Amino acid sequence: DGGITQSPKYLFRKEGQNVTLSCEQNLNHDAMYWYRQDPGQGLRLIYYSQIVNDFQKGDIAEGYSVSREKKESFPLTVTSAQKNPTAFYLCASSRTSGPTRRETQYFGPGTRLLVL
Amino acid sequence: AQSVTQLDSHVSVSEGTPVLLRCNYSSSYSPSLFWYVQHPNKGLQLLLKYTSAATLVKGINGFEAEFKKSETSFHLTKPSAHMSDAAEYFCVSKDSGNTPLVFGKGTRLSVIA
Repeated sequence: DGGITQSPKYLFRKEGQNVTLSCEQNLNHDAMYWYRQDPGQGLRLIYYSQIVNDFQKGDIAEGYSVSREKKESFPLTVTSAQKNPTAFYLCASSRTSGPTRRETQYFGPGTRLLVL
Repeated sequence: AQSVTQLDSHVSVSEGTPVLLRCNYSSSYSPSLFWYVQHPNKGLQLLLKYTSAATLVKGINGFEAEFKKSETSFHLTKPSAHMSDAAEYFCVSKDSGNTPLVFGKGTRLSVIA
């Protein structure tokens, strides 16, 4: 089955701890994205990557870091600098994100991060 | 700058009655527009999308949306609500070029038996 997987489904973070959320896709998509969802605020873009070894900050990148060493993987690290990390995190991918493209983004099932 | 406004944060309908979820967009160009549905603690599933072809777009599960440029609207409709339609719905816009998706804040649809 082709799709996007995120793990774990629930993740707990202690104060001062870095945690990493996994996102893997087997759709052969070039572009991948990380969003944060808070109640009543829709989705906000954290980081995105259009191609391997390249990524750009979104609207709320502070306190987060990413890497894109492989096409199918785009892990997100929530660092201790992110003071309010409790949220639902969604990963997405699309075939491409080039200048004239309007490709559909497909979403993973999400990871809920809770602070202890 | 792009923006998307979902006019109702919560809509409640009886099972078997029509559904209308309203969305207005603001964009300098002719955008692509999408509707996604999210069930509790799940990811977003694409319902339908408009990309400058036919203005009436049919999606999955009996939903459809009409692009009205004069009204800058892209309202989502369904003739008859089913209990399984209860979820959060997001209207999303994307301009051409290297621009990100812009999400509305969502409309929660409740379906009453």
